[in-house]
Amino acid sequence: NAGVTQTPKFQVLKTGQSMTLQCAQDMNHEYMSWYRQDPGMGLRLIHYSVGAGITDQGEVPNGYNVSRSTTEDFPLRLLSAAPSQTSVYFCASRATDRGMNTEAFFGQGTRLTVV
Amino acid sequence: GEDVEQSLFLSVREGDSSVINCTYTDSSSTYLYWYKQEPGAGLQLLTYIFSNMDMKQDQRLTVLLNKKDKHLSLRIADTQTGDSAIYFCAEKLTGANNLFFGTGTRLTVIP
Repeated sequence: NAGVTQTPKFQVLKTGQSMTLQCAQDMNHEYMSWYRQDPGMGLRLIHYSVGAGITDQGEVPNGYNVSRSTTEDFPLRLLSAAPSQTSVYFCASRATDRGMNTEAFFGQGTRLTVV
Repeated sequence: GEDVEQSLFLSVREGDSSVINCTYTDSSSTYLYWYKQEPGAGLQLLTYIFSNMDMKQDQRLTVLLNKKDKHLSLRIADTQTGDSAIYFCAEKLTGANNLFFGTGTRLTVIP
């Protein structure tokens, strides 16, 4: 039982390049989400998914796409990287039957630098 | 949008109690949470409190909620060096899907 696995852990991109951040969970959780963490700010929600085939925007969705073809995987795509997307990205998941209704499992993060 | 604030740094001596504070502006919260982030790791859910509670105790952790003042605190008793980390408070608002996180408080425990 690996929990939430993110790859890669580190990435450097040039402005304008595209890439996909991978996220997988093996807990059969319906709800998955992507956050970005910037210095001096809390985590901000980019996109989330309540189940396979269903995604929605969070607080800061511009410049990112997501898809959810399976329960296990929730990749985040940067279409044309910009320096403002330099950040640490976290994927999270939770079971929808938890009473406290929060992201209980986070991946280790992907540190992305756009130059 | 919702504003959740924390002080950035806190230093305590090993064995003392730590108190990490958090203030928020939107009173329509359902749950409030405390997360711990160790270096190079993701966030770990430590504890939570339902918005109609005043206090919750969980071993060395005590959460206090003052809804009137929109103030949340986390007390760690007998703080150990392993408690050194960044602590985030987070709030879930009624009808919202996402959590609103504070900026995080870096706790340093001095041996």
